[in-house]
Amino acid sequence: GAVVSQHPSRVICKSGTSVKIECRSLDFQATTMFWYRQFPKKSLMLMATSNEGSKATYEQGVEKDKFLINHASLTLSTLTVTSAHPEDSSFYICSPGGTDTQYFGPGTRLTVL
Amino acid sequence: GENVEQHPSTLSVQEGDSAVIKCTYSDSASNYFPWYKQELGKRPQLIIDIRSNVGEKKDQRIAVTLNKTAKHFSLHITETQPEDSAVYFCAASVYNAGNMLTFGGGTRLMVKP
Repeated sequence: GAVVSQHPSRVICKSGTSVKIECRSLDFQATTMFWYRQFPKKSLMLMATSNEGSKATYEQGVEKDKFLINHASLTLSTLTVTSAHPEDSSFYICSPGGTDTQYFGPGTRLTVL
Repeated sequence: GENVEQHPSTLSVQEGDSAVIKCTYSDSASNYFPWYKQELGKRPQLIIDIRSNVGEKKDQRIAVTLNKTAKHFSLHITETQPEDSAVYFCAASVYNAGNMLTFGGGTRLMVKP
């Protein structure tokens, strides 16, 4: 299956700072990347879909100015959580679209103090 | 949009017994139904999937059934082992729409030795 990496795997930051999460598709050219968020003991919820060379589409209730998504190349998509607050603490997981089955990156555990 | 319901939210079985997890979906256009196993702090791992052109699929101790008319699908695990303990998620998508998944709420399976 598709090999997907994420960096960092874990980040702890102070409230008000911005955090950038990178998602790389290592063996597959992903024109689409799905970004999911998972709160503790909850299911995965789609936040947004990034598209290489065009604007991302956001799910209802997800602030596009807070969660900046960039899909600069076919192998790299980034999610930046701007002015992070404790309620943004979550597990963020990316997944490239267009594969036969959907595979996930290892996830980034964000903790905002 | 699609809505996926999953039951039960927790399931406790004795080692060697069978476990069944059920999901329903709302969008008749959905035609791809994967199941994921997620261990604590890890990414979801695909364990089995089924497409709408078949009613049942089996892989060793794991099987999935699909009833398109009733819009429900189930995961069956036989001869459960302690290492099967994890959270299981069902999901649904329209395959040709880029594999964007809608997840069920998850089932925490505990297999007691």
